[in-house]
Amino acid sequence: DTEVTQTPKHLVMGMTNKKSLKCEQHMGHRAMYWYKQKAKKPPELMFVYSYEKLSINESVPSRFSPECPNSSLLNLHLHALQPEDSALYLCASSQEGPGRGSNQPQHFGDGTRLSIL
Amino acid sequence: GQNIDQPTEMTATEGAIVQINCTYQTSGFNGLFWYQQHAGEAPTFLSYNVLDGLEEKGRFSSFLSRSKGYSYLLLKELQMKDSASYLCAVRDSNYQLIWGAGTKLIIKP
Repeated sequence: DTEVTQTPKHLVMGMTNKKSLKCEQHMGHRAMYWYKQKAKKPPELMFVYSYEKLSINESVPSRFSPECPNSSLLNLHLHALQPEDSALYLCASSQEGPGRGSNQPQHFGDGTRLSIL
Repeated sequence: GQNIDQPTEMTATEGAIVQINCTYQTSGFNGLFWYQQHAGEAPTFLSYNVLDGLEEKGRFSSFLSRSKGYSYLLLKELQMKDSASYLCAVRDSNYQLIWGAGTKLIIKP
């Protein structure tokens, strides 16, 4: 069990669907992250929110849209995805965001396994 | 460019010791993390090094040499549950995590 909770655990969607992935943490962390991970590959950073503001967008296609409603919640809205977007989507949080020199690690949720038909 | 190298796969015997190496070339250095990831699960934090030397945490230890751009993770008294991928990640000058591809560790009885 992790302290970062992601829902749903599995999601199958068509290329025309709209869905959202949700992430929640109650550790008081001020930075939250979305990663995409393909099989046998390391996590690829997509977005970073620091103090509820988007601080990093790693040139992610606009069919992925992040949202941070408050310091505990992070959403990833999906629309018109492609089959190559099928992957494990990981949410993580850390006590402080990038640039603050913290030694605190990122804590990961169990991920959402996304399949695009 | 930024690069982190780890062996793709290693095999060890239950009860033995294994050392997983990681070498890195990054733009700046602000710490190195080791994570464990079981198949289909989230990465779990194992250790953090920012100064040269050895950090010990139970059966797991991690070593860092900044001058050599080198770290290793040492696992002692191996158990079957230690079968997993081990990911090395370096925080660069922009405080972004650069990830290695991971080392798949197979433990045999």
